Amino acid sequence: NAGVTQTPKFQVLKTGQSMTLQCAQDMNHNSMYWYRQDPGMGLRLIYYSASEGTTDKGEVPNGYNVSRLNKREFSLRLESAAPSQTSVYFCASILFGTSGLDEQFFGPGTRLTVL
Amino acid sequence: KNQVEQSPQSLIILEGKNCTLQCNYTVSPFSNLRWYKQDTGRGPVSLTIMTFSENTKSNGRYTATLDADTKQSSLHITASQLSDSASYICVVSEGGSYIPTFGRGTSLIVHP
Repeated sequence: NAGVTQTPKFQVLKTGQSMTLQCAQDMNHNSMYWYRQDPGMGLRLIYYSASEGTTDKGEVPNGYNVSRLNKREFSLRLESAAPSQTSVYFCASILFGTSGLDEQFFGPGTRLTVL
Repeated sequence: KNQVEQSPQSLIILEGKNCTLQCNYTVSPFSNLRWYKQDTGRGPVSLTIMTFSENTKSNGRYTATLDADTKQSSLHITASQLSDSASYICVVSEGGSYIPTFGRGTSLIVHP
């Protein structure tokens, strides 16, 4: 199992450019998440998808859109990048069961710089 | 509002020493508590997961404790190694919610 994979690993954009961050998981998890991590701020939730076909806003959704393409894939789109979106982006997934031992797995991250 | 507070914010110790990191939470109803290790430039990796009925869980030199009554958890690292230098994140899940609550992490530096 590859777990959670993200592409690209690094990206530099100019202000106003658009791009899509890709995420895929091969663990048959039902829920997927996009976070951003900034120094001193911890991980903040941008959007999540509780199950295939649904998406919901998290704590910091402004400037982003998401698509749950299928059960495996969850993409994050920046329509018009701004310097404030310079960050490290992590995708995560989780399978909610009945045991309470629901482990969230994270991808390796995408380091985005907006000039 | 659900909150997870971690202390200290940062910690420097010498190789071979023990240390304890703290996590206090206000999440309710409680589902589980997870400790993650995040190496610089990488994604978080799970160390331990505990439910309401568990009060201690170990993973090698890492031992987590949970006091659900006082809503506190600790992560104890024994005989620290240079490779323990990382950020340690406490995450608490609310029963019935899809959104875990993250602490801001404790940055641990282990010096030789």
